[in-house]
Amino acid sequence: GAGVSQSPRYKVTKRGQDVALRCDPISGHVSLYWYRQALGQGPEFLTYFNYEAQQDKSGLPNDRFSAERPEGSISTLTIQRTEQRDSAMYRCASSADGRARAFFGQGTRLTVV
Amino acid sequence: AQKVTQAQTEISVVEKEDVTLDCVYETRDTTYYLFWYKQPPSGELVFLIRRNSFDEQNEISGRYSWNFQKSTSSFNFTITASQVVDSAVYFCALSVSTGGGNKLTFGTGTQLKVEL
Repeated sequence: GAGVSQSPRYKVTKRGQDVALRCDPISGHVSLYWYRQALGQGPEFLTYFNYEAQQDKSGLPNDRFSAERPEGSISTLTIQRTEQRDSAMYRCASSADGRARAFFGQGTRLTVV
Repeated sequence: AQKVTQAQTEISVVEKEDVTLDCVYETRDTTYYLFWYKQPPSGELVFLIRRNSFDEQNEISGRYSWNFQKSTSSFNFTITASQVVDSAVYFCALSVSTGGGNKLTFGTGTQLKVEL
């Protein structure tokens, strides 16, 4: 597509539910990144992929968070047993390769009530 | 570990004033990239510039200019003749070559308010 697409744009979920956030990168982009941005803060790195391989997941806060990119294109970030502290903007970015600059999507605003 | 400090939490200026946003970074890597992003009230992240650590030339793009000083580990951003549309949160960020090229460490942002 023309840009990085994230869905849903907004998600409200009850505490304890699982959520799946989707990222559709720019076509042909090798690298895909997930970030989380709490209100009033800068984005924080969560994880990234080259093709389908998860290269770095050091930013995932705990084992409730996981991500996959099974066919090297669309990626899903899953949060299990959501907690209120998970409320944030989740941003996805993609780049042609690890050196090219990344393009960010519009983000998914997650609210856990 | 990398760190980016944006000491100015909020700046208010009157339209047409010049304003400089400060950014100080820390890294032990010798090869790195520095970035500035704009986040308007609509929430998207708008890329402004990427500069690599070997290029200390200052850059000007229209009303925007950037001053990269390796000696002080700073990468400051100046808006000349500010306009109301410049009102946004501005983030400085850093990535190192030993990580993924776009594994960015962001500062906490500077909220810029430009008033008439």
